Amino acid sequence: QVQVVQSGAEVKKPGSSVKVSCKASGGTFSRYALTWVRQAPGQGLEWMGGIIPIFGTIHYARKFQGRVTITTVQSTSTAYMELRSLRSEDTAVYYCARGFDAYGSGRPDGFDIWGQGTMVTVSS
Amino acid sequence: DIVMTQSPDSLAVSLGERATITCRSSQSVLYSSNNKNYLAWYQQKPGQPPQLLIYWASTRASGVPDRFSGSGSGTDFTLTISSLQAEDVAVYYCQQSYTTPWTFGQGTKVEIK
Repeated sequence: QVQVVQSGAEVKKPGSSVKVSCKASGGTFSRYALTWVRQAPGQGLEWMGGIIPIFGTIHYARKFQGRVTITTVQSTSTAYMELRSLRSEDTAVYYCARGFDAYGSGRPDGFDIWGQGTMVTVSS
Repeated sequence: DIVMTQSPDSLAVSLGERATITCRSSQSVLYSSNNKNYLAWYQQKPGQPPQLLIYWASTRASGVPDRFSGSGSGTDFTLTISSLQAEDVAVYYCQQSYTTPWTFGQGTKVEIK
């Protein structure tokens, strides 16, 4: 049974960076789509970026372009999301999730394994 | 970007009654090469991560009760809970994965009347 375990809560100062990790326990991220989603307090889900392994591409939401980097380390089955130049509006729970692509279309069918979420608080 | 619009924003349904949520995409999410709609539905309960309910617009994910069903194609989709149970109180989101950015709807909160 694959589980995704994320790193713990963080408190950061405005202007600093945060790097959240996401480890696949009992499995791997290799050959699976990966996505990062955030949720501000009381708000909906916001897509930040994702990896399409069949194309070897990483995509970011325009809103975060230049401020976010998603990486994976296959040898440790760990993915990372780094967000830079933090501001108070970045206070949110950050989720990673693994998806599947039964047809190998490069389009994830759905994201069925989610991490528990990492609370990032940005405050002076 | 594909804009996903859900309606209503919230609804209250009596236990055992039907709940229906709609999701509209600003452009088609039907992939002609495999005739699949890249539209998924997620359930999120307070303090928990989202859980996949439906993918390809109408295929239930593993372990999802059959009272949950999805329908639609192209740009218009529906999630139906045929007989609302107390444990179904949650926020429901649709998401398209046809093209990046993989956008979500704004969410629909389902409560007990």
